[in-house]
Amino acid sequence: DAGVIQSPRHEVTEMGQEVTLRCKPISGHDYLFWYRQTMMRGLELLIYFNNNVPIDDSGMPEDRFSAKMPNASFSTLKIQPSEPRDSAVYFCASSLGAKDTEAFFGQGTRLTVV
Amino acid sequence: AQTVTQSQPEMSVQEAETVTLSCTYDTSESDYYLFWYKQPPSRQMILVIRQEAYKQQNATENRFSVNFQKAAKSFSLKISDSQLGDAAMYFCAYRSARYSGAGSYQLTFGKGTKLSVIP
Repeated sequence: DAGVIQSPRHEVTEMGQEVTLRCKPISGHDYLFWYRQTMMRGLELLIYFNNNVPIDDSGMPEDRFSAKMPNASFSTLKIQPSEPRDSAVYFCASSLGAKDTEAFFGQGTRLTVV
Repeated sequence: AQTVTQSQPEMSVQEAETVTLSCTYDTSESDYYLFWYKQPPSRQMILVIRQEAYKQQNATENRFSVNFQKAAKSFSLKISDSQLGDAAMYFCAYRSARYSGAGSYQLTFGKGTKLSVIP
């Protein structure tokens, strides 16, 4: 398996524009997590899905952020409109089961909003 | 809510020497998992080692081992025979083992320790 695949690897956009980050989890994994990493706040969970259903979105910072998982092999994280403070590295991770199994991370998307 | 604290923002070690990274956590739960993840400059998060809280025996993976002190809520990582490829950010993370509502299965991370390896 190729692992968790995220695209794009880097994204530079202007303030106010819509940004869509994409994630393909490992085939067969039933949990998918979106994390955000910043220098100030470290790694924070934004939202996670179980069997394509959002379970906890309490980490989503505000209504400008939305996430979907239309099927087991694809998820998106959308920011509309984007702001400079959204600049961060966004990670997607997937796991089989939720408890003791390892969460496998993608390589992340570095987002810069200017 | 659980918190994870890594008190050493940066550390350095001489190649072939041993280094220990510290991690403490706060939880009221008795059943949980602890992890150390490595993040090299490539940004990839790589699992280094995992510890189940119900196990008294410390986990070991080749040159990596942990010192898990449940009563003290301490979970340190020891890297033996350090290699240049060990240079990276290291994150300690906590995960509940029991479902207690939304958010139960998330990984809670510390702020990380940047490890440099000196040739």
